[in-house]
Amino acid sequence: AQSVTQLDSQVPVFEEAPVELRCNYSSSVSVYLFWYVQYPNQGLQLLLKYLSGSTLVKGINGFEAEFNKSQTSFHLRKPSVHISDTAEYFCAVTLSGGYNKLIFGAGTRLAVHP
Amino acid sequence: DTGVSQDPRHKITKRGQNVTFRCDPISEHNRLYWYRQTLGQGPEFLTYFQNEAQLEKSRLLSDRFSAERPKGSFSTLEIQRTEQGDSAMYLCASSLASGGKAGNTIYFGEGSWLTVV
Repeated sequence: AQSVTQLDSQVPVFEEAPVELRCNYSSSVSVYLFWYVQYPNQGLQLLLKYLSGSTLVKGINGFEAEFNKSQTSFHLRKPSVHISDTAEYFCAVTLSGGYNKLIFGAGTRLAVHP
Repeated sequence: DTGVSQDPRHKITKRGQNVTFRCDPISEHNRLYWYRQTLGQGPEFLTYFQNEAQLEKSRLLSDRFSAERPKGSFSTLEIQRTEQGDSAMYLCASSLASGGKAGNTIYFGEGSWLTVV
């Protein structure tokens, strides 16, 4: 079975500082990886996804993530955050041969302070 | 593309009552999913439809829960005899299958909040 661990439940950061949100996954088979963002009282929006190919994936709003198979990680990064990036971020995994049944981590609350 | 719509957005009900949530997926999306999210947790998979066929149900979906997708379009999630532990946000999502491969983007609705008092 697959599982996802988001190592930090909360990450406080000052505006314009860089940030990294950590995600590790566990799976005995090939997987696809995703990062979603959830703003207060809203559903989830896809930031980026890794299916295959280049291990560095660029997404919306200036976010990027790097797939590291040997470390089973898929950390999310942004070089300079804005107040508007304050939200909950979820890492998710699905089997590469499956039908998109997403397994989510518990989430990381990113709080950007002025 | 109007996105995934869910109704109602908020529902407060007394314990023991039945509630029903509706989801309208993005048109032409043949896959539809229901997830449940409690405070401080990530979404948990409940069930999945391919067109009108319900192909998988999580163990989280007790006998009090039933989901349908008649005609492969909108879907309903009904909870009978609600319990306080059912309080959560119920998320609907949809995607378009392509060659049987995973990795197609799953689009989520804004969720339906259920509070059982």
